[in-house]
Amino acid sequence: AQSVTQPDIHITVSEGASLELRCNYSYGATPYLFWYVQSPGQGLQLLLKYFSGDTLVQGIKGFEAEFKRSQSSFNLRKPSVHWSDAAEYFCAVLYNFNKFYFGSGTKLNVKP
Amino acid sequence: NAGVTQTPKFRVLKTGQSMTLLCAQDMNHEYMYWYRQDPGMGLRLIHYSVGEGTTAKGEVPDGYNVSRLKKQNFLLGLESAAPSQTSVYFCASSLATGYGYTFGSGTRLTVV
Repeated sequence: AQSVTQPDIHITVSEGASLELRCNYSYGATPYLFWYVQSPGQGLQLLLKYFSGDTLVQGIKGFEAEFKRSQSSFNLRKPSVHWSDAAEYFCAVLYNFNKFYFGSGTKLNVKP
Repeated sequence: NAGVTQTPKFRVLKTGQSMTLLCAQDMNHEYMYWYRQDPGMGLRLIHYSVGEGTTAKGEVPDGYNVSRLKKQNFLLGLESAAPSQTSVYFCASSLATGYGYTFGSGTRLTVV
């Protein structure tokens, strides 16, 4: 069965520090991969997506993610975290062309 | 340009009551989706639609019904609400496969 795993439920980093959020998926073929961010009380906003080609993709707000086929991973990174990045982050995989499956989310806290 | 609008934003129901959640999009998107979000479980797909007049079951369809009579609207119905349906419900739409979703801001439903 398809699944998306975000192994870290909560992460705390200091402002200005680097960030990496992990995402692993299980799927037979190369999926479409996405990262979304959700601020409290808000809907989800698309950060970036990977369909094919260059395995390092750039997104909004200074985020990037790298697709590693051998590890079935799509980790999200940011070199320097800002206090406004505190939110919940969801990795998602598109299966069968029209169904998204989401990970359980990682809550990011940013220390001043 | 409103994007995806969900109504209502909050609702409290008694067990056994019925209600309908409305999702409206003004982007001429073909695909629309209903998700529920529960703590630690990420987003789970309830039902989706790939075009006007079509609906299909997602991952957790039991207890819910949907209709897509107009392209811009996707309705989610609860015929007999149960406490297990207490959740935050998100509607989303997409132009086509792989484009990513535009999400509404959510409906917080409590069933007592």
